[in-house]
This record gives sequence, structure tokens and C-alpha cells, in this order.
Amino acid sequence: GAGVSQSPRYKVAKRGQDVALRCDPISGHVSLFWYQQALGQGPEFLTYFQNEAQLDKSGLPSDRFFAERPEGSVSTLKIQRTQQEDSAVYLCASSLREAGGDYNEQFFGPGTRLTVL
Amino acid sequence: AQSVSQHNHHVILSEAASLELGCNYSYGGTVNLFWYVQYPGQHLQLLLKYFSGDPLVKGIKGFEAEFIKSKFSFNLRKPSVQWSDTAEYFCAVKGFKTIFGAGTRLFVKA
Repeated sequence: GAGVSQSPRYKVAKRGQDVALRCDPISGHVSLFWYQQALGQGPEFLTYFQNEAQLDKSGLPSDRFFAERPEGSVSTLKIQRTQQEDSAVYLCASSLREAGGDYNEQFFGPGTRLTVL
Repeated sequence: AQSVSQHNHHVILSEAASLELGCNYSYGGTVNLFWYVQYPGQHLQLLLKYFSGDPLVKGIKGFEAEFIKSKFSFNLRKPSVQWSDTAEYFCAVKGFKTIFGAGTRLFVKA
């Protein structure tokens, strides 16, 4: 497609449930990023993939959060045993080149709004 | 550590007023700088970017920003705002990784 897409757009989960959020980056983009955006805050970095390799997962808040990009295109962010503090918008972004390079802007998807009851 | 600070959380202006949104960052190395905008119900979109060269960069919809290295600032400006500029604006700095500010909500009164 023309842009980054994410699904579902909205997800309501009961506390303790597992959720899986999907990101389809722009075709051919090497880099893929996941961000968490809490209400009233800017996006906060969670993890970064260069192709299928997860090069940085320093932003994942706990071991309940897991991300993968097995074929270097679509990525899934999984949250196990969801807690109320996980409620946020989860944003995916992709960029053409590797993250360490210059002249590298990120294109964002619409986000998935997760609400944990 | 790398950080970004946006000075104003909420700004209310009348149409035709001038706009300046402050952004300061801390990072010791070379940076790429961005302003993103999020219109109501829409996703984040790039407004403008600075990578190198002329520190005054022009973006879409009449926005511009000036990189002042000595002040570690990248303030966003627009001479005359319109009602359609009502949105949330995020400054972002890419050093080691991309860090976003907390955002500024702009409301323009018609």
C-alpha cells in the first residue's frame, strides 16, 4: 500500500489477556519502529528492526512485551498478560534506510489504541 | 542522555496570529531534527525536517523552523495561522535514536 498500516485500529482487552498488534510497513522499507504513546504524551520508543533483525529493544517496558518481524516486512507487537498501564496508542513507523543513517525520516501508521479494562 | 523539551503544552491563537512553538534538545552529537503534526483523528505526519545545510528550513503549509545549534533549539514558526492548523505538534530529535517531545496542542479560533 501507499503508507504504513496497522491493525486493529482499536483493541479492548480484559486485564490478563494477551494481545497482538500488527504493522504493515511501506514496501521496501528497511527499518521498522514501534512506539507507545500514552495520553497527553509524545511517542516513546519501544523497539527497532532492521529487516528481520531486532537491533534495539531497550524501550520495551517489561518482558511481557515481545516484537517480531520474521520476514523483514510485517511486524507484530505482542503484549502478554495485559495490565491497565499498558493502555496507550501503539504506533508503528518505517523508514527507507537503516536507523543509524542520516537523511532518514520515519513514516507513521495510524496506530492501534489499546484499552485494558 | 538524549532528551527533547517542548515549552508549551497548550496554545490558543486567533486566526492570522503568528505562531512560534519552542523545542529544545540535549544531545552531544550530530542530530537530525523534525517537526511532526497530528491533526484530529489523523496519524502523525512530517511537517518539516533538518538534516544539514541551511538552518532555516521550510515545510508544508507555510511552516518553517530554525535550527540554532548554540541554543540546542529548533523552534517552529508560522507567520499567520489558520483554523485548519488546529492540531498537536511534536518536535523530534534523532541522535542515537529518535526521541519525541511531549507535544503542543494548538487550537486556532476562527
